Parts: sequence; structure tokens; C-alpha cells
Amino acid sequence: EVQLVESGGGLVKPGGSLRLSCAASGFTFSSYSMNWVRQAPGKGLEWVSSISSSGNYIDYADSVKGRFAISRDNAKNLLYLQMNNLRPEDTAVYFCARVVLAGDYVLGTFDNWGQGTLATVSS
Amino acid sequence: IQMTQSPSSLSASVGDRVTITCRAGQDITSYLNWYKQRPGKAPQLLIHAASSLQSGVPSRFSGSGYGTDFTLTISSLQPEDFATYYCQQSYSIPFTFGGGTKVEI
Repeated sequence: EVQLVESGGGLVKPGGSLRLSCAASGFTFSSYSMNWVRQAPGKGLEWVSSISSSGNYIDYADSVKGRFAISRDNAKNLLYLQMNNLRPEDTAVYFCARVVLAGDYVLGTFDNWGQGTLATVSS
Repeated sequence: IQMTQSPSSLSASVGDRVTITCRAGQDITSYLNWYKQRPGKAPQLLIHAASSLQSGVPSRFSGSGYGTDFTLTISSLQPEDFATYYCQQSYSIPFTFGGGTKVEI
């Protein structure tokens, strides 16, 4: 069974940093590209970032470009999101999501999601 | 690519046929997915490539459309279907979602 478990959320002041993690199990993590998707309280879904299976292809939403960095450790089955210079509008539940097909390319169809971790940016 | 869903909410009863529409701001061919989200839960993929039913999803869910106009249909609404539904384009980055349609009793 595919399992994705996020951690690392919490309360941080504006301008601060957080590092989110997503622990993957139940599938060959190194074969799938991965994504972060966020949801502000009471709002809709927003794609944040993608990383290919090898880590060679990475992309970001304009709203986080230059502040967030996605990475992965295929030996440890871990996905990361380093969030710097955080703003109140970054307050959201952050989900990690696996794509539907294995391969070293970025895809936008997400078939397995974690339960999310809440990051709150407030003074 | 802007994704526009309608309606933003609807009221329905168990057994009703429900239709939700999604319009893309440009031609996305069939790169359209539908997700279901219940409160406090992660989204669940229902339909991918506009009309392909994801494994394990009940056959009362169906999707149609191509280009810019798409539809999600629930043929006979069940109690567990009361949720918010999102369309999403996977044609190009940034992958964008519609604003959601809340299906209420």
C-alpha cells in the first residue's frame, strides 16, 4: 500500500523558515516524480512544486519561486520542501503527492496524497 | 491556465444525478483531472485524462469533454459523495485547479 506521511509543519514568524518532509513507502520511490500541493484554510488547491524521479527536473509556482526549494533523497525515500522568507499568505496545509506514472519526467496527475502538514505563518 | 468550475456549490439528494462543469482558459486537449475532497482529508483522484476512471473509483462517476469544456457526472449520488470536487489541468506548468464545487445535502 502506498503511504505518504508529511511532517515538519508548525508556527513560524514572517520571514522565517520551515523544512517539510514527506516519508514515502509501499512503492519504488526513486521511480516516480513527486509534488507539493497546498491548501490555505477554507480555500482551494494550489500546486507548489514538482521534482522528477532523478531530481534533475524541478519547477515551482511563481508565488514561491526563489523562496522555496524542493529536493529528494531516493536512498531514504524522502521528499523535502525547504521554505524560506515565509509570508502570511503561505499559511496552508501542505500535501505531498505522487504522480500516476513512473518515469523521470514531471507529470501533473496525482494519484496518491499524504494527509498534509499545516504551516502557519503569523507574528 | 485559468480553470473555472460551475457551480461553486449545489444541493442534491441521495440518488440524484449531479453534473459539474469545468472550463479551461485555453485548449488543454484531454489533460484534465477530477479530484474529490472530504473535509479534513486529502484529495482523491477520480478521473484522469478527462474520461478515464481511476482504479477503485465507483462507476457512477464519469467524465467527458475535450479542449476547453469538461464535465464530471455522478449518476446516482451516494452519502459518501457529499464533498468538494476540483478539476485540474495537467497540460502545462503551473498545474492549476478550479475553484471547487461543494456538493451538499
